[in-house]
Amino acid sequence: GAGVSQSPSNKVTEKGKDVELRCDPISGHTALYWYRQRLGQGLEFLIYFQGNSAPDKSGLPSDRFSAERTGESVSTLTIQRTQQEDSAVYLCASSPAVGSYTFGSGTRLTVV
Amino acid sequence: DAKTTQPTSMDCAEGRAANLPCNHSTISGNEYVYWYRQIHSQGPQYIIHGLKNNETNEMASLIITEDRKSSTLILPHATLRDTAVYYCIVSRRSGNTPLVFGKGTRLSVIA
Repeated sequence: GAGVSQSPSNKVTEKGKDVELRCDPISGHTALYWYRQRLGQGLEFLIYFQGNSAPDKSGLPSDRFSAERTGESVSTLTIQRTQQEDSAVYLCASSPAVGSYTFGSGTRLTVV
Repeated sequence: DAKTTQPTSMDCAEGRAANLPCNHSTISGNEYVYWYRQIHSQGPQYIIHGLKNNETNEMASLIITEDRKSSTLILPHATLRDTAVYYCIVSRRSGNTPLVFGKGTRLSVIA
């Protein structure tokens, strides 16, 4: 597609529920990244996929967080048993193997 | 941890040049300087990057000092729409290292 698409754009969930966030990268981009941005804070790296290599999960804050990517296509970020501190904007970006990132508009997650 | 140091905030008058500094004294020989910006409620947007030579594109110019320990992003004629947080990042261009975003500089363009 023309840009990185994320859905939903907004999600309100109850504490303890599981949520799935989706990212559609730019076609042909081999790398895909998830970041989290809490209100008024900077971007925290979560996880990185590059082609068929094993993902870099070093930024995932706990085992409640997981992500998958199908080939070089769609990625889903799953948060299990959501907590209020998970409230944030979750940003996805994609890039060619060598090149700049294109970010989506993010999913604003609110845990109540 | 981010390897760059930027001022927390800056103001610039509309129509004037905005010069945003960045210190990266520990930059390695194979690391590039990248600039991104984030306008309120949007995802970050790529602006420009460089290795050692000065670079210019339709958005901005990047001036890198000869010792590569610092750089300046220049928006030649700032507009109100350039109000954003500007991130200076050093990273290898290829490889498996995700970009690490620091706190950036909040640029306010004032009418």
